[in-house]
Amino acid sequence: GENVEQHPSTLSVQEGDSAVIKCTYSDSASNYFPWYKQELGKRPQLIIDIRSNVGEKKDQRIAVTLNKTAKHFSLHITETQPEDSAVYFCAASVNDYKLSFGAGTTVTVRA
Amino acid sequence: GAVVSQHPSWVICKSGTSVKIECRSLDFQATTMFWYRQFPKQSLMLMATSNEGSKATYEQGVEKDKFLINHASLTLSTLTVTSAHPEDSSFYICSATPGTSGSSEQYFGPGTRLTVT
Repeated sequence: GENVEQHPSTLSVQEGDSAVIKCTYSDSASNYFPWYKQELGKRPQLIIDIRSNVGEKKDQRIAVTLNKTAKHFSLHITETQPEDSAVYFCAASVNDYKLSFGAGTTVTVRA
Repeated sequence: GAVVSQHPSWVICKSGTSVKIECRSLDFQATTMFWYRQFPKQSLMLMATSNEGSKATYEQGVEKDKFLINHASLTLSTLTVTSAHPEDSSFYICSATPGTSGSSEQYFGPGTRLTVT
């Protein structure tokens, strides 16, 4: 089955700086890569996703890049704000079906 | 749109009893629903996939006789934890998708916190 690895497990950044989280996947058939933000005790919220026919996608301060050859994808958050503090999960799936999640990254934005 | 609810939001039960958790899609028909378990400070682990009107497909290592899943309608799936034990204490989250075999975003419920004493 799919194995998704995520790094780092924790990330502390100064407000205004950028944060980068990286994930690798094992199943070359995976073609859908969403990123979720989860606050303590809450449901995961989709913040951005990318499909395998695209190399990069951007939505305001958030961007995701995908390298199919290397089987890795990354989340970039620019101009971080305190409200960006949360746990972020990457995931991978084939045709949007079963999601395999990474272990998560706890992001802390220092004011 | 695309709202998924879960009930109850939290439950405390005694060891040996059974607990039922409901997952409802409020404004769309969910052909497929997924059940996840999340232990503290850990990731979401898929337990099973349920399609309306058919038996659920369980992930390796998940006991189907312990975690009973019923997807009786296009808007409701239930997870029953039978003979619960303290190690079953966890955050259970469902998700739902309108599409068959994918091709659609998964919408997550708010989760159910289960504590077994």
